Amino acid sequence: GQNIDQPTEMTATEGAIVQINCTYQTSGFNGLFWYQQHAGEAPTFLSYNVLDGLEEKGRFSSFLSRSKGYSYLLLKELQMKDSASYLCAPMDSNYQLIWGAGTKLIIKP
Amino acid sequence: GAVVSQHPSWVICKSGTSVKIECRSLDFQATTMFWYRQFPKQSLMLMATSNEGSKATYEQGVEKDKFLINHASLTLSTLTVTSAHPEDSSFYICSSKGHGDLDEQFFGPGTRLTVL
Repeated sequence: GQNIDQPTEMTATEGAIVQINCTYQTSGFNGLFWYQQHAGEAPTFLSYNVLDGLEEKGRFSSFLSRSKGYSYLLLKELQMKDSASYLCAPMDSNYQLIWGAGTKLIIKP
Repeated sequence: GAVVSQHPSWVICKSGTSVKIECRSLDFQATTMFWYRQFPKQSLMLMATSNEGSKATYEQGVEKDKFLINHASLTLSTLTVTSAHPEDSSFYICSSKGHGDLDEQFFGPGTRLTVL
């Protein structure tokens, strides 16, 4: 079966760094996406990894290890507006995104 | 990134009535659109994949006669919830496939449906 495993909730302090881990099992693999979703809003695209390694984009970086079925999203210099849910979504062999419930990130001053 | 709009943003209706939700890609032609439903604190659930000019492909467990999808043009897809019931109350979100090198999906702002 297909499965996504992320922590349900994490708390971090403004200005700090936080790493959100994701392990996945899919039927085939065509890359992995990270999305941000604020409460009551639709998801917005953050990053995409298809090869192993780290992709850096400003304050956000995403890492992928295909052999381990593992990815993480690293958020630096946390701001209050980063409080949101972060969704790890691998793409299976049918190019369909597989969604988990996401990780709710709470930023405290 | 691509811009996707949805209308209405929220709707309240009586049980037994039908509700139509529109999804538009504003700055690109979307041959494929996706319809999702999301209940509070749960993951996005793909309901159907809509391809322009052809019948939608529904996910297992989604009633195609209840959730009518029409993708008549490259910029518009509609989802009609027929004979809505309170259990259909949810956040409905459409997305369009990106037109660049990536296969990312760009999401509309979502429609919050409340059935009384």
